[in-house]
Amino acid sequence: EAGVAQSPRYKIIEKRQSVAFWCNPISGHATLYWYQQILGQGPKLLIQFQNNGVVDDSQLPKDRFSAERLKGVDSTLKIQPAKLEDSAVYLCASTSPGGTNYGYTFGSGTRLTVV
Amino acid sequence: QKEVEQDPGPLSVPEGAIVSLNCTYSNSAFQYFMWYRQYSRKGPELLMYTYSSGNKEDGRFTAQVDKSSKYISLFIRDSQPSDSATYLCAMRPIIQGAQKLVFGQGTRLTINP
Repeated sequence: EAGVAQSPRYKIIEKRQSVAFWCNPISGHATLYWYQQILGQGPKLLIQFQNNGVVDDSQLPKDRFSAERLKGVDSTLKIQPAKLEDSAVYLCASTSPGGTNYGYTFGSGTRLTVV
Repeated sequence: QKEVEQDPGPLSVPEGAIVSLNCTYSNSAFQYFMWYRQYSRKGPELLMYTYSSGNKEDGRFTAQVDKSSKYISLFIRDSQPSDSATYLCAMRPIIQGAQKLVFGQGTRLTINP
């Protein structure tokens, strides 16, 4: 079974620029998550999709962050404009409806540095 | 107060030692408890999960949950240098469809040969 694919692996941008991250979940996984992991901290949920609908985006800074999951498969997360405090690893994870007892499968993440 | 508290370490022990990692939580709705291992520049990978109080063993790893004290632990026996990683506890309520995991800060562990 292929894992969760994310790209790019690394990105360096200047503050106020925009950036986009891409995620391809495990085939058949209906639920997709984006987490933000700041250095030295645990992952924090940004947004949860069930198929192509948003389940939870309560911690997404909507003035600058947006996410979509067209067709219920791939997802993109965008930041515009970026701030210095957005420097973090952005993790994508997926799970199937019957797999909730087993946690998520995470991708390797995109490491964003805002300078 | 954070929902999940975890000592960030770092923790450094000699090879072969028994390692104890711990988390406390404040939300009594949490029913599923997991431990993730995260190697440098990698995503977290699920190590163990449990949903009841007591112990669960898998090879050199033992997960322990005490719901009355809101306290969970992960024990690593005969620790190996390959166990060097950051260990994250995670938990969620049992509500159907509410799959959001809340993570601890992570404990950075180094096993010295």
